[in-house]
Amino acid sequence: DQQVKQNSPSLSVQEGRISILNCDYTNSMFDYFLWYKKYPAEGPTFLISISSIKDKNEDGRFTVFLNKSAKHLSLHIVPSQPGDSAVYFCAASEGGGFKTIFGAGTRLFVKA
Amino acid sequence: EAGVAQSPRYKIIEKRQSVAFWCNPISGHATLYWYQQILGQGPKLLIQFQNNGVVDDSQLPKDRFSAERLKGVDSTLKIQPAKLEDSAVYLCASSRWGLDNEQFFGPGTRLTVL
Repeated sequence: DQQVKQNSPSLSVQEGRISILNCDYTNSMFDYFLWYKKYPAEGPTFLISISSIKDKNEDGRFTVFLNKSAKHLSLHIVPSQPGDSAVYFCAASEGGGFKTIFGAGTRLFVKA
Repeated sequence: EAGVAQSPRYKIIEKRQSVAFWCNPISGHATLYWYQQILGQGPKLLIQFQNNGVVDDSQLPKDRFSAERLKGVDSTLKIQPAKLEDSAVYLCASSRWGLDNEQFFGPGTRLTVL
């Protein structure tokens, strides 16, 4: 029972272009969503988050969009840089921090 | 600010042996998490502590896994006895309590069960 799904195992984009990573969820009790970035042999690093009361949050080159009716969120990276090449995990939690569920991740390749 | 510390970084054991992992969270973080990440999958929450109390251990295989957080700071996760399917990276994370649920992860312990 995958409550958080990242259906694209990998994504390849050209440097300078937009990267769009997608995530779907099934549990309507989720009220907080996060994106983490992971490099090999390191733990995940927090990137950006969004509360269910918002539909957009921006932080520099990173923007997260939330569509509650579709139970879908996306992470936009503009412009993409080679250093962005990593695995990106979508995560969701309920009740202000309980029962955090992670997706399987999407590996992003940014080509120079 | 020092990050989340974990040890050991790597461990190889044979099935049916016991193993323990240690985690030291960021100072002042009330919440501590243990995750299991199997190759090709996302982290799976095993147990969540708030100070030294357990708030969620619904996915912890309690017949073989145990965890404690003494004095609300350091934590240990134990597996006894280990099975082949326990081979994974075990991640520890900590966070401040509240709506800001940003979790800070340690580097993980890679366990191989032979």
